[in-house]
Order: sequence, then structure tokens, then C-alpha cells
Amino acid sequence: GENVEQHPSTLSVQEGDSAVIKCTYSDSASNYFPWYKQELGKRPQLIIDIRSNVGEKKDQRIAVTLNKTAKHFSLHITETQPEDSAVYFCAASSNAGGTSYGKLTFGQGTILTVHP
Amino acid sequence: NAGVTQTPKFQVLKTGQSMTLQCAQDMNHNSMYWYRQDPGMGLRLIYYSASEGTTDKGEVPNGYNVSRLNKREFSLRLESAAPSQTSVYFCASREQGYFGQPQHFGDGTRLSIL
Repeated sequence: GENVEQHPSTLSVQEGDSAVIKCTYSDSASNYFPWYKQELGKRPQLIIDIRSNVGEKKDQRIAVTLNKTAKHFSLHITETQPEDSAVYFCAASSNAGGTSYGKLTFGQGTILTVHP
Repeated sequence: NAGVTQTPKFQVLKTGQSMTLQCAQDMNHNSMYWYRQDPGMGLRLIYYSASEGTTDKGEVPNGYNVSRLNKREFSLRLESAAPSQTSVYFCASREQGYFGQPQHFGDGTRLSIL
């Protein structure tokens, strides 16, 4: 099955700096890669996703890049703010065989702390 | 639109007790999922239901059963709770789509087993 590795496990930055979180996946059939943000005691919430037919996607201060050859994808947050502090999870999903069950395999999470 | 609703929000059980966690979605989604979240281990899939009438095992199904009651509801049952099942349980749902659609999560059920 799919295996997703996420690094780093913790990341501490100063307000205004950029933050980068990296994930690798094992299943070359994976074609959908969402990122979730989870604040303490809350539900995971989708912040951005990318499909395998594109290499990069941007939404304001957040961007995701995908390298299918190397099987890795990254989350980039620019001009970080204290409210960006949370746990971030990457995930990967495969529709191999034409099924669309959308099972996600999650990385272990990155605790991002943005210091004012 | 409430999205994905889970009940209860908190529960404490004794070892050996049984319990059903409830999940309902009002987004007309076909697929539903149950995850557990433990510190440092991300979210792990317990069971999923691709569509009404079907259920399949995920990564960590042992000790759990599920029922897809109808398109809206997907319940998770612990027949004989064990301390190792202490966790936060999240239900999620998504539209079907070939190329991947995001999953939407409920607020979670925090379950402690003594």
C-alpha cells in the first residue's frame, strides 16, 4: 500500500519568514495530494490540494509543488503569521484501477510554530 | 448546511464496554470514512464506505465494525473496548470523482477507555 513520509516533524519560524514542509510517497499511481491544517482540538481542514496533472498550485500565501518523478510534494507558506501555527498534514490518494474510493494515506504531521 | 456531524463529542468507557460512534453528512456525498488519530501518528483509516451498501477495511480495522445505514449515515462500533482504542475518532466524507476530491471532516469524538 501507499506510504507517506513527512518532514520535518516540528518547524519553528519567525513571523514573516517562509515555511516549507516536504512529503514523499511510495505509490506511483497516487494522483491526488491534499494538505490539511489542524488547530489544537479542531478538525483537519483542507487548505490546498494538487492533482497529478499539474506541477504547482498557489492560493495567496500558500503554494504546493509536486514532483511526480521523484515522488515528492511540498507545502510552502510565505509571510507566515502567528495564526498559521498549527499541525499540518500531507496526504496522498490513488485511483488505480479506475476506482474512486479516495482513500487517503496521511503523513505523520508537522507542528508549525510561528513566533511573533 | 452542517457538513459532517459526529456524536458524541466525548466519551469515557470501561474496558470491555461496547459503544457506537455516529456520523452523518448532509452534503449528499457517496463516500464516507472513519479515522483514528493518535499523537505522532497522523490519521489512520479504520474503515471506509465507497457508496451506500458497501464497506471495506482500512489500515487498522481490528476491534471495530461499521454500518453504512443509508447515504447520510456511517457508524463505527467498538464491541469490546480496549485501552489501546483510546483515541480521537474522525469521520469524513467526499464526493466521488475519478481524479480525487477532498475529504471533509467532522469535529471528532474523543474517546477514553479506562
